[in-house]
Amino acid sequence: EAGVVQSPRYKIIEKKQPVAFWCNPISGHNTLYWYRQNLGQGPELLIRYENEEAVDDSQLPKDRFSAERLKGVDSTLKIQPAELGDSAVYLCASSSGLLLDFGSGTRLTVV
Amino acid sequence: QKEVEQNSGPLSVPEGAIASLNCTYSDRGSQSFFWYRQYSGKSPELIMFIYSNGDKEDGRFTAQLNKASQYVSLLIRDSQPSDSATYLCAVNLIIQGAQKLVFGQGTRLTINP
Repeated sequence: EAGVVQSPRYKIIEKKQPVAFWCNPISGHNTLYWYRQNLGQGPELLIRYENEEAVDDSQLPKDRFSAERLKGVDSTLKIQPAELGDSAVYLCASSSGLLLDFGSGTRLTVV
Repeated sequence: QKEVEQNSGPLSVPEGAIASLNCTYSDRGSQSFFWYRQYSGKSPELIMFIYSNGDKEDGRFTAQLNKASQYVSLLIRDSQPSDSATYLCAVNLIIQGAQKLVFGQGTRLTINP
């Protein structure tokens, strides 16, 4: 069984540019999460989806971040415009209960 | 007080010894507790979960939960160099009426041969 697939693996962009990340969860997992992990810190939840509904986006900086999960499967996370402080690893995870499976993450560097 | 707190380390343990990793949490109503292992440059992987007070053993790993003290720990017996990683504690908290899985900052563990 394929795990959670994320792309791209790495991304380097200049500040003020837009960037998008893509996630394909494990088949059958209705819950999808986007986390941000800064160096030396634990993952912090940005948004959680139950099927196609965003049920927790309280930590998503909505002025520049947006996310969607069309048809309740794949999801994209977008940042526009990116700031230097957005440099981090963006992790997607999915679950069918409380046990999360993480993707390999996208390491974003904003220069 | 942080919602989930861990000592960031680094924690250095000789090979073959017991490594003890600790985590405290703020929400007395929390019911679910998880330990994830994260190798450098990799994503977190679940190694243990515990829901009830007491100990839960899985191979060389033992999770211990004390809800009265709001404390959860992970013991690694017969530590191996391959256990060197960052260990993340995660707790299912109730925040503003909704369940949220919150991670601690992680403890970096180094097993010395």
